[in-house]
Amino acid sequence: DTEVTQTPKHLVMGMTNKKSLKCEQHMGHRAMYWYKQKAKKPPELMFVYSYEKLSINESVPSRFSPECPNSSLLNLHLHALQPEDSALYLCASSSTGRDQPQHFGDGTRLSIL
Amino acid sequence: GDSVTQMEGPVTLSEEAFLTINCTYTATGYPSLFWYVQYPGEGLQLLLKATKADDKGSNKGFEATYRKETTSFHLEKGSVQVSDSAVYFCALHSGGYQKVTFGTGTKLQVIP
Repeated sequence: DTEVTQTPKHLVMGMTNKKSLKCEQHMGHRAMYWYKQKAKKPPELMFVYSYEKLSINESVPSRFSPECPNSSLLNLHLHALQPEDSALYLCASSSTGRDQPQHFGDGTRLSIL
Repeated sequence: GDSVTQMEGPVTLSEEAFLTINCTYTATGYPSLFWYVQYPGEGLQLLLKATKADDKGSNKGFEATYRKETTSFHLEKGSVQVSDSAVYFCALHSGGYQKVTFGTGTKLQVIP
């Protein structure tokens, strides 16, 4: 069973819509991550939250807006997306140590019409 | 900067065959090394890890040894099963926990 829960599993939206992706973990991890994964590619890091503060933004366009309401929840707000934003969006969490692995959710499959 | 190089896939094997997926890395300092596996329609899962030179990580019959002298972390399994069909990613953490450097992934298909 996946310990990181992502909702929804699938999302289809138009380019003018606003939607949000949600992620939840109850492992006590203090680092949370958003990744974008295109088919047959490795995950690409988008954002990192450490102790509920945004610590890394990998030059992601402003149409993606992350939010970390508390240590268990992570949201990704979407607005005015482009067709090239269609991808699998993965959330992950980890403890804050160099040898700590990341725990991934099963992702949200996003399609932009 | 850090980088991870994996052998190109896809790799197709018959059930019970021996598996090797090569992984080499370039990193500053002393990275921690990981293998993650992604089954169809799922996120990545940690398969095994090694945090210092000569460590061997193992899980579910898979093994990999951290070789500092050859900067390698090759994944091996003695007898693959159809259920091992997935994409395998070699990865490293160097200097901090926040950024993971992934290899390009190797797709494994095991046929009965």
